[in-house]
Amino acid sequence: TQLLEQSPQFLSIQEGENLTVYCNSSSVFSSLQWYRQEPGEGPVLLVTVVTGGEVKKLKRLTFQFGDARKDSSLHITAAQTGDTGLYLCAGVGGGSNYKLTFGKGTLLTVNP
Amino acid sequence: DAGVTQSPTHLIKTRGQQVTLRCSPKSGHDTVSWYQQALGQGPQFIFQYYEEEERQRGNFPDRFSGHQFPNYSSELNVNALLLGDSALYLCASSLSLSGAYQETQYFGPGTRLLVL
Repeated sequence: TQLLEQSPQFLSIQEGENLTVYCNSSSVFSSLQWYRQEPGEGPVLLVTVVTGGEVKKLKRLTFQFGDARKDSSLHITAAQTGDTGLYLCAGVGGGSNYKLTFGKGTLLTVNP
Repeated sequence: DAGVTQSPTHLIKTRGQQVTLRCSPKSGHDTVSWYQQALGQGPQFIFQYYEEEERQRGNFPDRFSGHQFPNYSSELNVNALLLGDSALYLCASSLSLSGAYQETQYFGPGTRLLVL
């Protein structure tokens, strides 16, 4: 069974601070995705990382995929109140494994 | 371009009842997946439908069943509801290229089910 563990589970910071969220697994995934979910809405895809060691930047968000394709991190620089939400990582099995395997998520609150 | 739509948005049922949730995929998509998201948890995969057939199923009991229609829309049925079935039910659509590969899944807003 493929499992993804996210840490921390909860994070409350002040506007302007930096933060990192981690996603770890004992299994290899063909790719890994990061989503952001707001209350009452479905998850919205932020990025997909495919290659081991890959780094992708999306404005103030930096995503890394581990060399062994088992772990990933999301770093936010100078957090803003609009970054508040639930951040989910999801592993893509690939091949005939079509499902997304999600972690439990990190609930981020950015205070003004 | 309409995204993934789900209905109803909220639903209250009692134990033992049956429920049907509906999903219309994003325009151009042919594959629908269903996920259950309990409070404080990440989404859990229920099953995926492609070409009107269930092609992959997660670890959910037979009380959970589904259907895909020729227009690619889908239904999720849950029989003999339990209190533990209370959750946000998410539908995601995608495009399966040549059947063996699927592109990114896009999620709908979900249906919030409360079982009393």
